[in-house]
Amino acid sequence: DRVMTQSPLSLPVTLGQSASISCKSSQSLVFRDGVTYLNWLQQRPGQSPRLLIYNVSNRDSGVPDRFSGSGSATDFTLRISSVEADDVGVYYCLQTVGWPWTLGQGTKVEIK
Amino acid sequence: EEEVVESGGGLVQPGGSLRLSCVVSGFSFNNHFMSWVRQAPGTGLEWVAVIKRLSATYYMDSVKGRFTISADSAKKSLFLQMNSLRVEDSGLYYCVRERGDLWGQGTLVTVSS
Repeated sequence: DRVMTQSPLSLPVTLGQSASISCKSSQSLVFRDGVTYLNWLQQRPGQSPRLLIYNVSNRDSGVPDRFSGSGSATDFTLRISSVEADDVGVYYCLQTVGWPWTLGQGTKVEIK
Repeated sequence: EEEVVESGGGLVQPGGSLRLSCVVSGFSFNNHFMSWVRQAPGTGLEWVAVIKRLSATYYMDSVKGRFTISADSAKKSLFLQMNSLRVEDSGLYYCVRERGDLWGQGTLVTVSS
C-alpha cells in the first residue's frame, strides 16, 4: 500500500500569514497516463470533507486562489498564502493512483 | 444541483448487518467512480470501497469478504452491504463521487453490544 505521511500534524498560524503542509508518498503517484493522482481535501469542524486541489495543483471549482498545490512524484505541498479564519480545519492529502486509495493522517490548522 | 444523500446507518450489535444507501441527483450516475469512505469519531478518513463504472469493485483489506458495494443505475443509488460487523467498523460513512469532488453528509454506524 502507498503510505501517505503528512507534516506537521498540527499547524498553529497567525491570521494573514502563510502556511504550508507537506505530504510524502512511499511510492510515486504518477500513473501510466502521465497524470499524478494527488488531491488535497479540507474538513472544517463539523462538516464533510471538501475537495480543494486535484492532480497536484488544480483548484476545484469555487476554491479561493490563496490555496495552491505543488510537487511531483512522491513529494507534495499545500500552501495557504494568507490564512483566514474560515481556513480552520483538518487538511488531508489523498492518493488515487492505485488501490487501496490512501490518505495522510491529516494536518490540523488552527489560529494562534 | 449535484448531490449525494446517505441513509441506513444505525446501532447494531457485533456480528450484525446493515445496508447503507446513497441516492444521487444532478449528475449522470453511470459515468463515475463512486465510493464509501468512513471516519471513526475523532480520527482520520479511510477509503472503504470503490465501484468503477457500475462494475469493477475494490475494498480495503479489513472489510474484504464482509462488505459489498453495489449500484443500481435505475434507482440512481449506491449501496454498501455490511455483514459480520465489528466494533472497529463504527463511524460516519460518506458517499463520495470520483476522487473526492462531491461528498454527502454521512450516515452514522455504531457497532456496540
